[in-house]
Amino acid sequence: AQSVSQHNHHVILSEAASLELGCNYSYGGTVNLFWYVQYPGQHLQLLLKYFSGDPLVKGIKGFEAEFIKSKFSFNLRKPSVQWSDTAEYFCAVRRAPNNNDMRFGAGTRLTVKP
Amino acid sequence: GAVVSQHPSRVICKSGTSVKIECRSLDFQATTMFWYRQFPKKSLMLMATSNEGSKATYEQGVEKDKFLINHASLTLSTLTVTSAHPEDSSFYICSARDPSSGGYEQYFGPGTRLTVT
Repeated sequence: AQSVSQHNHHVILSEAASLELGCNYSYGGTVNLFWYVQYPGQHLQLLLKYFSGDPLVKGIKGFEAEFIKSKFSFNLRKPSVQWSDTAEYFCAVRRAPNNNDMRFGAGTRLTVKP
Repeated sequence: GAVVSQHPSRVICKSGTSVKIECRSLDFQATTMFWYRQFPKKSLMLMATSNEGSKATYEQGVEKDKFLINHASLTLSTLTVTSAHPEDSSFYICSARDPSSGGYEQYFGPGTRLTVT
């Protein structure tokens, strides 16, 4: 069965620290990849997505992610985090090109200390 | 971006009663909508996929007679939790897919917190 793994349950960083959140998936076919963010009390928002092309994708708020096909990974990065980045981050995978089956990772809670 | 709304945002009901949650796509037509359940400190679990005008497709382990889904129009889907029990207490999130976005973006509603007493 297709699965999505997020390695870190809770990450605590100080402001200006660099961030990398891991995401691996198990599906071997062509996939669409997503990172969503859920700020406290708010709904899921799309940070970035990868469908095809350049494996390094840039999203909103300074986030980027790199798709490494050989490693089945789609790690999220940000060079310098801010206190306002405190949130829950979810990686999601969907079989391409038009599959309804989007699977989410367990989520990583990011706490940024001011 | 596209907006998906849910109503109510919070609901408390007694065991044995039924609760209806509405999900609306406000500025696009959603041929496909999804219902997820999110447990505390857990990920989103897909419950069912609904296509406008047809029966919903439920994930394994989800009771279709307990979680009734109706996708009567291109902008509205409803989830009815029938004969609710305390273990049904959870955060329910709907998502709608915008086929006009090319990449078939999924937009998420703000969620509904259900508490069954």
